[in-house]
Amino acid sequence: KAGVTQTPRYLIKTRGQQVTLSCSPISGHRSVSWYQQTPGQGLQFLFEYFSETQRNKGNFPGRFSGRQFSNSRSEMNVSTLELGDSALYLCASSSSGTGKETQYFGPGTRLLVL
Amino acid sequence: AQSVTQPDIHITVSEGASLELRCNYSYGATPYLFWYVQSPGQGLQLLLKYFSGDTLVQGIKGFEAEFKRSQSSFNLRKPSVHWSDAAEYFCAVGRASNTGKLIFGQGTTLQVKP
Repeated sequence: KAGVTQTPRYLIKTRGQQVTLSCSPISGHRSVSWYQQTPGQGLQFLFEYFSETQRNKGNFPGRFSGRQFSNSRSEMNVSTLELGDSALYLCASSSSGTGKETQYFGPGTRLLVL
Repeated sequence: AQSVTQPDIHITVSEGASLELRCNYSYGATPYLFWYVQSPGQGLQLLLKYFSGDTLVQGIKGFEAEFKRSQSSFNLRKPSVHWSDAAEYFCAVGRASNTGKLIFGQGTTLQVKP
C-alpha cells in the first residue's frame, strides 16, 4: 500500500496570506489527524477528521480549519498567516482513529511565513 | 491533564553502546503508548506500541520498550546502537476517548559517535 502523502512538501507565504495543505491517507483509512511541529512547542494536535466530520480538535485559533472529502482525503487551511505559523505540518492516518490504533504519518509540509 | 515527559533533550552514545531513552507520562487510566522516530526532514515512523498485556514490547530495528505502571514510564532501549539510529525519538500517549489525538513528548535527539 502507498503511504500517507502530503502536498506540497514546501511552501513560502507572506504574513496575511492564506494557505491550503493537502493530505491523502493510506487506502482504506478513514481517520486523518493533523499536527503542527515547531522547535519551541514540539508536536501539537490540530484536529482529526473521520467520515467527513471533525471529531476532535486541539487548542488552536479559528484561523486553522480543515475538511475531509468522501474519499478520506483531507485539507487543512490556515487563514491570515502569522510568522508563528511557520512549522512542519504533519498529517497522519489510521483506520478508525481510536486511541490504540497506530497513526501513520506523512512526510509533512514545511511552511515558511515571511 | 495528560502529559508526556522526555527528560533528556539530547543524548550522545558511541556506536555499539547500549541506549535507553526515558519517557514518563501523566494519565488517569491505562494509556496507549507509542514510540516514534523522526529522521531529519521526514515524517514519523512507528517503532513500537503498548496497549496491554506483556509489559515488554519488541519493535522494529532492534528496539524494545518496557511499560512500568508503578513508575508511569515507558522507556525505550536498544542493546547496541548503530550510526543509522541517529534521529529524534518521540514518546506519545493516546486514549480511546480522545479519537485521533496523540500527545507527544518534546523528543530526544540521539547522536551516535563513531
